[in-house]
Amino acid sequence: NAGVMQNPRHLVRRRGQEARLRCSPMKGHSHVYWYRQLPEEGLKFMVYLQKENIIDESGMPKERFSAEFPKEGPSILRIQQVVRGDSAAYFCASSRNAGTSTGELFFGEGSRLTVL
Amino acid sequence: KNEVEQSPQNLTAQEGEFITINCSYSVGISALHWLQQHPGGGIVSLFMLSSGKKKHGRLIATINIQEKHSSLHITASHPRDSAVYICAVKRDTGNQFYFGTGTSLTVIP
Repeated sequence: NAGVMQNPRHLVRRRGQEARLRCSPMKGHSHVYWYRQLPEEGLKFMVYLQKENIIDESGMPKERFSAEFPKEGPSILRIQQVVRGDSAAYFCASSRNAGTSTGELFFGEGSRLTVL
Repeated sequence: KNEVEQSPQNLTAQEGEFITINCSYSVGISALHWLQQHPGGGIVSLFMLSSGKKKHGRLIATINIQEKHSSLHITASHPRDSAVYICAVKRDTGNQFYFGTGTSLTVIP
């Protein structure tokens, strides 16, 4: 019963390149959340997705960032034309329930992006 | 202003001490999580609470819904408890989670 799987664990990119971070939720979970953690800061919400739908992307920058959660395969957070300020740990979490139920949240190990 | 405030930000304790970390929130919630993050590591959910109190080993979590406050207690602290402890709340409307900035705990042998 694998937990939330994120890859890559570490990613190094040069300014201007693209970064793709993947998240496979726990089996049976159809809700995925992406969070960013800057050095010495707390977790910041970026985007919440259900299968094939973006539910809330209010925390995600309008430019260069995009997220998807296709019917088949992992959720992907894509950062185009990366800049040094994008260097951070990106965590994915998944839950089974949503709406009015208290969805327990499970986190991946995080993907640490370093932009040179 | 953050929706979730934690105190203290940093805490150093001697091994064996009783530790309390506090969390206050300003929004209506359906659940509150206490999370643990070790340096360079992933995030583990310790508790999910919607009322009352939960205990797991040396860890105890309480929540007072009326006062919008939760506490995480660690009894007989140990150096392996050294980590960042994060409080997170799930809104009662929508599916958003809000996070505190965390409490960095160091337990000295």
